[in-house]
Amino acid sequence: DADVTQTPRNRITKTGKRIMLECSQTKGHDRMYWYRQDPGLGLRLIYYSFDVKDINKGEISDGYSVSRQAQAKFSLSLESAIPNQTALYFCATSDYGTPDYGYTFGSGTRLTVV
Amino acid sequence: GEDVEQSLFLSVREGDSSVINCTYTDSSSTYLYWYKQEPGAGLQLLTYIFSNMDMKQDQRLTVLLNKKDKHLSLRIADTQTGDSAIYFCAESVYSSASKIIFGSGTRLSIRP
Repeated sequence: DADVTQTPRNRITKTGKRIMLECSQTKGHDRMYWYRQDPGLGLRLIYYSFDVKDINKGEISDGYSVSRQAQAKFSLSLESAIPNQTALYFCATSDYGTPDYGYTFGSGTRLTVV
Repeated sequence: GEDVEQSLFLSVREGDSSVINCTYTDSSSTYLYWYKQEPGAGLQLLTYIFSNMDMKQDQRLTVLLNKKDKHLSLRIADTQTGDSAIYFCAESVYSSASKIIFGSGTRLSIRP
């Protein structure tokens, strides 16, 4: 099994619908992140969480919300999806205790809003 | 502010060396990273360098860091078709609560 699992892998939804993307990890890491990837723009941070009670906005949090249900689970919601939220979404985890803070990424969720 | 910049595309001939360049703005960077993203996959950590080093070598990969110019490069020797991917430069910055800031990614294509 993958260390960081994202579901679904692909999703097409209509404008105005609520959608949830889920992420679970088996790394035992405290820190979890949601990024979106757009061509030519790299990865932009949406939200991050350093533990279950610590949730922080990233650079592009408008239109998104998150829930850290447990150390291993971090979900991202689009309350009312719009077409410019069409993107590839990545969940990542990191361990502050490791010297390099390197991230472990999930395989991504490709979301299309029509 | 924090910014990481890299060119979007690079094309090299199979067997040649590839050099991917990156510049960053935050002088308080602690670690600098290179991630590789293959088609349909997430990002994988390729290598990293601590900010007090100027070079790191790992098999075909050489990372060079020029702190004065805030310039990072990744050299891939003897480039193979399996090296085709998007390569992301990234930095971790204490001033941003230890988040990692990513560049836009360089798509490396290999021609025969």
